[in-house]
Amino acid sequence: AQSVTQLDSQVPVFEEAPVELRCNYSSSVSVYLFWYVQYPNQGLQLLLKYLSGSTLVKGINGFEAEFNKSQTSFHLRKPSVHISDTAEYFCAVRNQAGTALIFGKGTTLSVSS
Amino acid sequence: DAGVIQSPRHEVTEMGQEVTLRCKPISGHNSLFWYRQTMMRGLELLIYFNNNVPIDDSGMPEDRFSAKMPNASFSTLKIQPSEPRDSAVYFCASSSQGWGSTDTQYFGPGTRLTVL
Repeated sequence: AQSVTQLDSQVPVFEEAPVELRCNYSSSVSVYLFWYVQYPNQGLQLLLKYLSGSTLVKGINGFEAEFNKSQTSFHLRKPSVHISDTAEYFCAVRNQAGTALIFGKGTTLSVSS
Repeated sequence: DAGVIQSPRHEVTEMGQEVTLRCKPISGHNSLFWYRQTMMRGLELLIYFNNNVPIDDSGMPEDRFSAKMPNASFSTLKIQPSEPRDSAVYFCASSSQGWGSTDTQYFGPGTRLTVL
């Protein structure tokens, strides 16, 4: 069965610093991976997704993620964060049945000045 | 487009009461999902509908939970009777493709349920 592990529950960073949010997955079938962001009191919004092709995926708001099959990872990165990036970030993998997403527990990114 | 609409945004009820959460998916989307988010368990899929038909309800916790989708533009999630452990944020999401899709899921703002 598929699963997702987000290695850090909280990541505090200063504004304009780079950040990496880590995600490891477990899957025995073709892998489709997603990163979603949840701003306070809002629903989830898709940042980016990997379906196939280039292992470096670019998303919205300057985020990118790299699919690494050998390390079963899909880490999210941004070279310079803003205060407005403060949110909870979820990594997800599509389930084997193809019906829905399996989410990690989330990483809270806190950006301070 | 207005996006996925959920109501109410907040619900406070007493144990034993019936609770009904409502969702209007994005027009034209034929897949609808109900998720539950708690601190302990994170985001969990409760049920998935495709073309108004429940496809996967393996995540529904127990018989107290039921979900319906009478038409393409409306779904309900009902809890009867409610218990304090049902307190959570319930999200509805929709997407434009169905089974096996990798299409983006669009989430509503959620309903924060508190059962006293």
